[in-house]
Amino acid sequence: ETGVTQSPTHLIKTRGQQVTLRCSSQSGHNTVSWYQQALGQGPQFIFQYYREEENGRGNFPPRFSGLQFPNYSSELNVNALELDDSALYLCASSSLTGTNTEAFFGQGTRLTVV
Amino acid sequence: AQKVTQAQTEISVVEKEDVTLDCVYETRDTTYYLFWYKQPPSGELVFLIRRNSFDEQNEISGRYSWNFQKSTSSFNFTITASQVVDSAVYFCALFDYKLSFGAGTTVTVRA
Repeated sequence: ETGVTQSPTHLIKTRGQQVTLRCSSQSGHNTVSWYQQALGQGPQFIFQYYREEENGRGNFPPRFSGLQFPNYSSELNVNALELDDSALYLCASSSLTGTNTEAFFGQGTRLTVV
Repeated sequence: AQKVTQAQTEISVVEKEDVTLDCVYETRDTTYYLFWYKQPPSGELVFLIRRNSFDEQNEISGRYSWNFQKSTSSFNFTITASQVVDSAVYFCALFDYKLSFGAGTTVTVRA
């Protein structure tokens, strides 16, 4: 097991609602990244947090936002949900220290928007 | 821009056959990392290997082996003597500050 846990594992929301997904990082890791994986596709980078600051963002609209807490856990918030937001959301916990780059993923949250 | 191409969408083999998954990448960086992940039906991405751009040695781990060729920008993955438990989607990814994934290759191993 990676030590990265995500909650909840499954979620059903109605279009227009808001959702918060949570991720606890692996001990010793200071960076958390979020990815969206639509059915049949590879994961797409949403954004990354390092020491509680966003330090990189993919091609996602502002209604996708996040937080990182002092214990390095993180939240992903999505406002005004759309049907296309239905996907598996993956959190990656990383240690980006030169040659010791590693990234471990949680089990994901499967979001269904109806 | 970072780009990873996994040209094989699906591969189906009979148990004990060898399987090779192709991965071709594009980057302008001179220092980068390449990863392979396995995604079983449960959904979690399982880390298999990390290789940095300065280390072109091939690596073997049990039935898994990886062939990194910088000259052709390829990082191929071979499963030797495949087993049913190897059935999964396999992703190749390129890392700068984030992971850029290929589209994945679905491997089905039949008993």
